[in-house]
Parts: sequence; C-alpha cells; structure tokens
Amino acid sequence: AQTVTQSQPEMSVQEAETVTLSCTYDTSESNYYLFWYKQPPSRQMILVIRQEAYKQQNATENRFSVNFQKAAKSFSLKISDSQLGDTAMYFCAFMKHGVHDMRFGAGTRLTVKP
Amino acid sequence: DAEITQSPRHKITETGRQVTLACHQTWNHNNMFWYRQDLGHGLRLIHYSYGVQDTNKGEVSDGYSVSRSNTEDLPLTLESAASSQTSVYFCASSPNKLSSYNEQFFGPGTRLTVL
Repeated sequence: AQTVTQSQPEMSVQEAETVTLSCTYDTSESNYYLFWYKQPPSRQMILVIRQEAYKQQNATENRFSVNFQKAAKSFSLKISDSQLGDTAMYFCAFMKHGVHDMRFGAGTRLTVKP
Repeated sequence: DAEITQSPRHKITETGRQVTLACHQTWNHNNMFWYRQDLGHGLRLIHYSYGVQDTNKGEVSDGYSVSRSNTEDLPLTLESAASSQTSVYFCASSPNKLSSYNEQFFGPGTRLTVL
C-alpha cells in the first residue's frame, strides 16, 4: 500500500519570503502522480500543483514549484514570495496510474506572517 | 456553472442513529469519492464509485455504506453512528478521460458531530 508522509505538522514564514514543505512517499509503482492541495480556513480543497512521475522536469505554477526526486521518493513544495493568502493547510497526495483514488499525507499547517 | 455540493454542511446526531450525507455533482463525472478528514490523518478514503451501480470500499469503510443509482449522486450512510465517526466529510468527483490523470474536484465538506 502506498503511504504519504508529511513530517512538518506546522510551519511559518514571513510575508514575501520563500518556504519549502516536505513530502515523502512509499510505493513500488513506477508510474504515478503526485499532488499538492491547499485547504484554506474555508475548508475548500484546492489543487495547487501536480507532477507526473514519468516527467523529469519539475512542475511550476506561478509562485509554486516542486522538487521531485523520484529515486528518493521525495516531493517538496516551494512557495516563493509568500503571501498572506497562502496561509492554509497543505496536503501532499499520491495517485497510482490507472486508478482514481488518492492517498493523502497528514498535512502541514502553514502560517504566513505579515 | 457545474459544481459539486454537499448537504448538510453541519450535522449533530446521537450515537446509534442512522445518518445520510448527500453529495451531488453536475459535471457528469463518472467517478465519485467520499473521504473523512481527521487531525493528524489528512484525508482518508471511505468509499468510491466508478459509475452507476459500482461501489468500492476504501481505506476506512467500516460503519459506512454508499449506493450509486445515478451519475450525479453518491450518498454516504452511517448505519449506526459512533463517536469515532465525528469528522469532516468530503465528497469528490473526477472525470474518466483518457488523459494521463483525472483531477478530483472537492465539495465544501460536511462537519458531522456524533454525541
């Protein structure tokens, strides 16, 4: 079974600075997808960024980028120029290719301080 | 606009009662999912469906059931509510495209308290 581990329950960062959230996963699969979801206080789950395991290039979406290390089974999220609106829970998630259900990590609560 | 809704948004019930949480999506997605969110566990999959009349157990299915009689709805039933089922419940849906992956779209969540 796949497991997803987020080792940082809480983090904080000053506005405009950069922060990196960690995620590791355990799988024997070679083809899969990884995701970062944001959950603000409204509770709505919002997809931030995704990465296909067969792609070596790290995904980037505006201020959000990932560092995908397939051999190390690591998938960290970097948020540049942090904004107050980035304050949220962030969840790392894994999806095996060919199926539709996801496995989530326990989450990291990020606080952006003014 | 297409959307996914959950009702009720908040529910308080008593131990032993049957409770049904509704999930409705208007995207015509084949796949629908129920998760529960608990502190320290993230989201855990309860049940999922890949189409009408199809249901499958997830990671934490004990005490829960679902049925899929149409594409739009996947109600989640707690047959006899227990205090351990106090949680926030999320419904999600995804299409069944032939693309590389199918993004899941989440509802707003239902906070259930079992006293």
